[in-house]
Amino acid sequence: DAGVIQSPRHEVTEMGQEVTLRCKPISGHDYLFWYRQTMMRGLELLIYFNNNVPIDDSGMPEDRFSAKMPNASFSTLKIQPSEPRDSAVYFCASASGTTGVNSPLHFGNGTRLTVT
Amino acid sequence: QKEVEQDPGPLSVPEGAIVSLNCTYSNSAFQYFMWYRQYSRKGPELLMYTYSSGNKEDGRFTAQVDKSSKYISLFIRDSQPSDSATYLCAMSIPDNAGNMLTFGGGTRLMVKP
Repeated sequence: DAGVIQSPRHEVTEMGQEVTLRCKPISGHDYLFWYRQTMMRGLELLIYFNNNVPIDDSGMPEDRFSAKMPNASFSTLKIQPSEPRDSAVYFCASASGTTGVNSPLHFGNGTRLTVT
Repeated sequence: QKEVEQDPGPLSVPEGAIVSLNCTYSNSAFQYFMWYRQYSRKGPELLMYTYSSGNKEDGRFTAQVDKSSKYISLFIRDSQPSDSATYLCAMSIPDNAGNMLTFGGGTRLMVKP
């Protein structure tokens, strides 16, 4: 089991540029979550999918943020245009609903985004 | 006021000490309580998982839930330098809308040899 795989591990970009973060969930997991972590706000849920369908995107901060899950093994989080306040560590996590509601989340190692 | 409050630390203890990490919460609907451990530059990993009130023990770790006080604790016995990490509490309401967790801000623990 390779776990949740995120790429890139680090991203440095200039304000105004488009940023795309990628995630491969654990095979067989039907829930996928995108979180953002900062010192000030901790871990914040941005959006989550169930069976590739977005269920709750109320945590997405602005229209500049969008997420897709075209198939069960891949998801992207896009920021366009990026701003310095978007600098954070972005985590993807997956979980299996078949093990019961509130089954544990498995996190990737995150993408550290710096927008200058 | 945040739904889940956690002292950010850092908490520095000598090797072998007993560590107590705590969270308070305001939403009485929370039923599932978890502790995640996050090493530097890594994603959080599930450490302990409890349902409702009571204690749960796993090796050197004990999770305690007091729903009447809206207070949860994680105890680490015989702490080791390898326990140095950030510990995040998380909790959720049982429903069918997915695994929506509310996280505390995390407590950074340093165990010194």
